[in-house]
Amino acid sequence: DADVTQTPRNRITKTGKRIMLECSQTKGHDRMYWYRQDPGLGLRLIYYSFDVKDINKGEISDGYSVSRQAQAKFSLSLESAIPNQTALYFCATSRGFGEKLFFGSGTQLSVL
Amino acid sequence: KNEVEQSPQNLTAQEGEFITINCSYSVGISALHWLQQHPGGGIVSLFMLSSGKKKHGRLIATINIQEKHSSLHITASHPRDSAVYICAVLNYGGSQGNLIFGKGTKLSVKP
Repeated sequence: DADVTQTPRNRITKTGKRIMLECSQTKGHDRMYWYRQDPGLGLRLIYYSFDVKDINKGEISDGYSVSRQAQAKFSLSLESAIPNQTALYFCATSRGFGEKLFFGSGTQLSVL
Repeated sequence: KNEVEQSPQNLTAQEGEFITINCSYSVGISALHWLQQHPGGGIVSLFMLSSGKKKHGRLIATINIQEKHSSLHITASHPRDSAVYICAVLNYGGSQGNLIFGKGTKLSVKP
């Protein structure tokens, strides 16, 4: 089984819908991250969390929210999806500062 | 100007060739990551380094802090090395949330 699991793998939704992307990990890592990837652009950080009580905005947090339900679970929500949120979304974890990152398989989200 | 620049953007090689991918950055860093993104989209961390050189199998990563430059080398390249290679730097003094990513180098190795 994958150490970092994202669900769903693919999702098509309509403008204005609320959608949640889920991430769970079995690595036992405290640090979890949500990134989005757009064609021709580098990965960009949406939100990150260093423990259950610590949530931080990243570079592009507008239009997104997160929930750290447990050490192992970190969910990303789009409250009212819009077409420019169409992207590939990745969850990642790390053990500590500057440590190696472990990525989920990604969620391809299309907002119509 | 992007803080992390990778070159080349695209690279096509013949199987067996020695490959070099470059990463230059303009900020002070604590560490630099090399990542591999497979054609199916999954991302794997290859190396994290803050000085010198690391080797894993046919892959070698080097960093020159003074010149703000890192290279990823692949020896005896193989079609299965075809992927996008991404450089990311951890801004000096920043948290892990301050990783700055390059746009990636797309490598295609022909048999």
